[in-house]
Amino acid sequence: LAKTTQPISMDSYEGQEVNITCSHNNIATNDYITWYQQFPSQGPRFIIQGYKTKVTNEVASLFIPADRKSSTLSLPRVSLSDTAVYYCLVGPWDDKIIFGKGTRLHILP
Amino acid sequence: SQTIHQWPATLVQPVGSPLSLECTVEGTSNPNLYWYRQAAGRGLQLLFYSVGIGQISSEVPQNLSASRPQDRQFILSSKKLLLSDSGFYLCAWIPRAGGNSPLHFGNGTRLTVT
Repeated sequence: LAKTTQPISMDSYEGQEVNITCSHNNIATNDYITWYQQFPSQGPRFIIQGYKTKVTNEVASLFIPADRKSSTLSLPRVSLSDTAVYYCLVGPWDDKIIFGKGTRLHILP
Repeated sequence: SQTIHQWPATLVQPVGSPLSLECTVEGTSNPNLYWYRQAAGRGLQLLFYSVGIGQISSEVPQNLSASRPQDRQFILSSKKLLLSDSGFYLCAWIPRAGGNSPLHFGNGTRLTVT
């Protein structure tokens, strides 16, 4: 499982676009990048996964540059309800799956 | 569709008492199963994982243990709880093949040891 580095915390305001970057310098050829979102007192939930270029779904977009050594989770027009911890993981998984500290995103009114 | 159940949702136990948390998965076979713990304001700590019945890997030395008596059942236990065992316990699964399949988490158990 490739090591990842994310900012510990970020603040933003409602209505803005938020970009959270994850560094994964030792990503392997067959690794995918997966992001989870965790609200207080809930388990993390999968939000998006990608291998290269750009992936978009109803929740977020994921941008992956050609060298794949980093990725950026983009949340469009955030609201207060987007306040959560966001985790970036790089796999495929061994049987063991370890989460980093994630990025604590705080949306302000 | 697959679902994961964890119970109880909350639990208050005195120090020194035993613990048993149960997790079951429906709608899939041969999943990999995981127990995580999250202390207040902290990250997810992997406690145990299992790739099959009776196969348990422990990640953190502690007074907790895990068992997998059936394919889709994962149990977290303790004989004597410590104050430091308080936290939010989460069960999760992925298909056995793993690959890049995302983890699916249960709703968690909030354990308070008093």
